Amino acid sequence: GAVVSQHPSRVICKSGTSVKIECRSLDFQATTMFWYRQFPKQSLMLMATSNEGSKATYEQGVEKDKFLINHASLTLSTLTVTSAHPEDSSFYICSARATGHPTDTQYFGPGTRLTVL
Amino acid sequence: DQQVKQNSPSLSVQEGRISILNCDYTNSMFDYFLWYKKYPAEGPTFLISISSIKDKNEDGRFTVFLNKSAKHLSLHIVPSQPGDSAVYFCAARGMNRDDKIIFGKGTRLHILP
Repeated sequence: GAVVSQHPSRVICKSGTSVKIECRSLDFQATTMFWYRQFPKQSLMLMATSNEGSKATYEQGVEKDKFLINHASLTLSTLTVTSAHPEDSSFYICSARATGHPTDTQYFGPGTRLTVL
Repeated sequence: DQQVKQNSPSLSVQEGRISILNCDYTNSMFDYFLWYKKYPAEGPTFLISISSIKDKNEDGRFTVFLNKSAKHLSLHIVPSQPGDSAVYFCAARGMNRDDKIIFGKGTRLHILP
């Protein structure tokens, strides 16, 4: 099956710093990538949808200036958590959808555990 | 407002027996339903899906049943195997292929030896 990687898998940072998370589709071109966040014992919550070469679409309640998304190529999207605070500590998962495929054919990355001290 | 509900956070089943994971939804506009499986430190992987025009879809040991009138679906795994121990997410989307997918909170399945 299609492979999506995320880097880093785990990151610990100090409050006020910024953290960048990379999401790569390794063996297919992904026109669309999705960023999710999962708090403990909660469901995966879609944060934003990014389309290659255009601005990301953020879900209601997600601050676009805090969670910067860049999707500069068909195989790479990045999520930058700016001025991170302890409440941003969560599990962040990206997924990628191959060009022309519906949303249910998303392939998920392994996730990034962010801990903000 | 949880549109996709998995009311059982965990479930334990003896190896070889049937595992039944349940899911309820509230949005009548949902048209397509999916189950994902997730191991620790890995992303969810697609398991099986069902369209609203069907009431059953089977793939090997996995069968998904859909009851539209009750807004309920279930995933049956038979026989259950140790490798089935994971978190299972129920998910749904609307009719449009580009509609976002809404996930439930997941059910952790433990297969007992």
